[in-house]
Amino acid sequence: NAGVTQTPKFRILKIGQSMTLQCTQDMNHNYMYWYRQDPGMGLKLIYYSVGAGITDKGEVPNGYNVSRSTTEDFPLRLELAAPSQTSVYFCASSYLSGGPNEQYFGPGTRLTVT
Amino acid sequence: AQSVTQLDSQVPVFEEAPVELRCNYSSSVSVYLFWYVQYPNQGLQLLLKYLSGSTLVKGINGFEAEFNKSQTSFHLRKPSVHISDTAEYFCAVRGGGAQKLVFGQGTRLTINP
Repeated sequence: NAGVTQTPKFRILKIGQSMTLQCTQDMNHNYMYWYRQDPGMGLKLIYYSVGAGITDKGEVPNGYNVSRSTTEDFPLRLELAAPSQTSVYFCASSYLSGGPNEQYFGPGTRLTVT
Repeated sequence: AQSVTQLDSQVPVFEEAPVELRCNYSSSVSVYLFWYVQYPNQGLQLLLKYLSGSTLVKGINGFEAEFNKSQTSFHLRKPSVHISDTAEYFCAVRGGGAQKLVFGQGTRLTINP
C-alpha cells in the first residue's frame, strides 16, 4: 500500500491565484482530513469527510473548499490565495473515527503565497 | 472540549542522554491520547497511543509514555536518545465520543553529538 499520497510537494502561488491540493489514500478508509501546520501552532483541522459525498468544516475552513466524490480522493481547493494561507498542508485518513482510531498522514504540501 | 499543551517548544539533549517531552491535556470526559513524530520534511507518524488499561504505554523506536489521570499528563520518555530521534513530536487527544483529534503545538527535539 502507498498509504496517503499528496501532490504537489511544493508550490508557490501569487496572491489571488487558485489551486487544488490533491490527496489520495489506498487503504479504503472512510474518514479523511485536511490540516494545516503553522510554525509553533501545531496542526489545525480545515475540513474533514466521513465518506464519499459528505464533508464538514473543521476549525479553520475559511478560504478553502473540499469535495469527496470517491472513497480514495479528497482534494482541497484554494480559490483566492492569500499570504495567510502560506503553510504546510497535511492530508490524513482513518478507517473509523473517534475513540482509539489513529490517523495516517501524507507527506505534506508546502505552499507559499506571495 | 479538549485541549493539549506541550510545555516545551524546543528540547536540546546530548546523544545517549535520557529525554522527557511533556504533555498536559484538559478534558471533561475520558480520553484517548496519542504521540506522533514528524521527521524533517515528512508527514506525521504514530509513535504510541493510550487507549485504556496499563498507564505505561510502549511505542516504536524505544519511546514510552505514562498516562497520569490525576495530573492530566501524558509525558513521552526515552532512556537514551540517538541522532536519528531528531524530529518534532506532537501530543494529541481525543475525547471519548469525539471524532476529531486535537493537537498540541509540538516540541522540537534536537540531539547534539
